Amino acid sequence: DTEVTQTPKHLVMGMTNKKSLKCEQHMGHRAMYWYKQKAKKPPELMFVYSYEKLSINESVPSRFSPECPNSSLLNLHLHALQPEDSALYLCASSHPTGSSYNEQFFGPGTRLTVL
Amino acid sequence: GQQLNQSPQSMFIQEGEDVSMNCTSSSIFNTWLWYKQDPGEGPVLLIALYKAGELTSNGRLTAQFGITRKDSFLNISASIPSDVGIYFCAGNNNAGNMLTFGGGTRLMVKP
Repeated sequence: DTEVTQTPKHLVMGMTNKKSLKCEQHMGHRAMYWYKQKAKKPPELMFVYSYEKLSINESVPSRFSPECPNSSLLNLHLHALQPEDSALYLCASSHPTGSSYNEQFFGPGTRLTVL
Repeated sequence: GQQLNQSPQSMFIQEGEDVSMNCTSSSIFNTWLWYKQDPGEGPVLLIALYKAGELTSNGRLTAQFGITRKDSFLNISASIPSDVGIYFCAGNNNAGNMLTFGGGTRLMVKP
């Protein structure tokens, strides 16, 4: 299995809602990432997990809360979002060390709309 | 912070033409990656480069890691309509697992 899967594909939520984005990979990767991507822009890094521990938080607002329950799963919990948080949210994974550790493999993304 | 300057920003070409795009940086990178992103999808890794001067091909795609380690280019030969999309370069300078992305090149191919 060489895929990163993400659910849901699309999500519409109000500013008072609580929702979660899910990501799964079965490539044995021990580094997983959340990115936010606005239209016509490159992905912006939000969080990095390495060996199930949060290693990088790029000063992301606390209304975004990541969770890594095990080595295959990565969640992003959303609460009290703002309309400007509407974007494509991408999950990626890679080996955390070794010669190919920079090769990040992306999921298809979740298109989030905040009303 | 670090930035990757990717050019051109967009290209509109005729099917069958060759395409070239590049990324430059003011600092050294140890890894260069090239991704393609289709609308509404995640980026797909095309080519990874790990050594200065390295030239790597993937079908009609060829990428090179610049000798100075501050640049990389991607060539697409004999373009076809399914080459349409946004191409991103990304680099890593051993700053943990972090990639720095270029601004993207939007490729449009006229049949």
